[in-house]
Amino acid sequence: DSGVTQTPKHLITATGQRVTLRCSPRSGDLSVYWYQQSLDQGLQFLIQYYNGEERAKGNILERFSAQQFPDLHSELNLSSLELGDSALYFCASSVRLAGDNEQFFGPGTRLTVL
Amino acid sequence: LAKTTQPISMDSYEGQEVNITCSHNNIATNDYITWYQQFPSQGPRFIIQGYKTKVTNEVASLFIPADRKSSTLSLPRVSLSDTAVYYCLVGDPTLMNTDKLIFGTGTRLQVFP
Repeated sequence: DSGVTQTPKHLITATGQRVTLRCSPRSGDLSVYWYQQSLDQGLQFLIQYYNGEERAKGNILERFSAQQFPDLHSELNLSSLELGDSALYFCASSVRLAGDNEQFFGPGTRLTVL
Repeated sequence: LAKTTQPISMDSYEGQEVNITCSHNNIATNDYITWYQQFPSQGPRFIIQGYKTKVTNEVASLFIPADRKSSTLSLPRVSLSDTAVYYCLVGDPTLMNTDKLIFGTGTRLQVFP
């Protein structure tokens, strides 16, 4: 158990819909990262937040957005869903801002878009 | 931004030593090298991290040559439970440059009895 929690574990929805994925980082971790993992794309970095502020962006689509709240939990919002958005979405947390330090990954949310 | 290249897959037998090499030709001065292990449908798990020379912990060793353009993860005496995907990640630790975090393609290690 990494100490990072993600809800829900599974999510099934239809194209065009909007969903929200939630992540609670380890106690004391200020950085939260979101990743997408699909079969054909591998593990793709989406976005990073540090202490409530966006700090780095990866290959995140404009239909996707995220935020980190004062209690440090984070939400990833996916809208106008397409079939290709079906994937595992992982959240990770770390103590510091920078990318060198150990990240602790949650169990993931499996999103299926029908 | 340092990109990484790893073998797509490797096979081994229980009890053998496995070495997985990652190439990162344009690694920057401030980049560290980190390896993660991932089992199916689980989040990646940190294995080891280093900057140069050799780092060893209870599960693996990481060898980094002087030019730092590659690194080798060494798993001693693998078991069936080491069957997983191994990712090499190169990241900039400086507070001034939170760059994108790119996991490599990953190496799928299959350990046979």
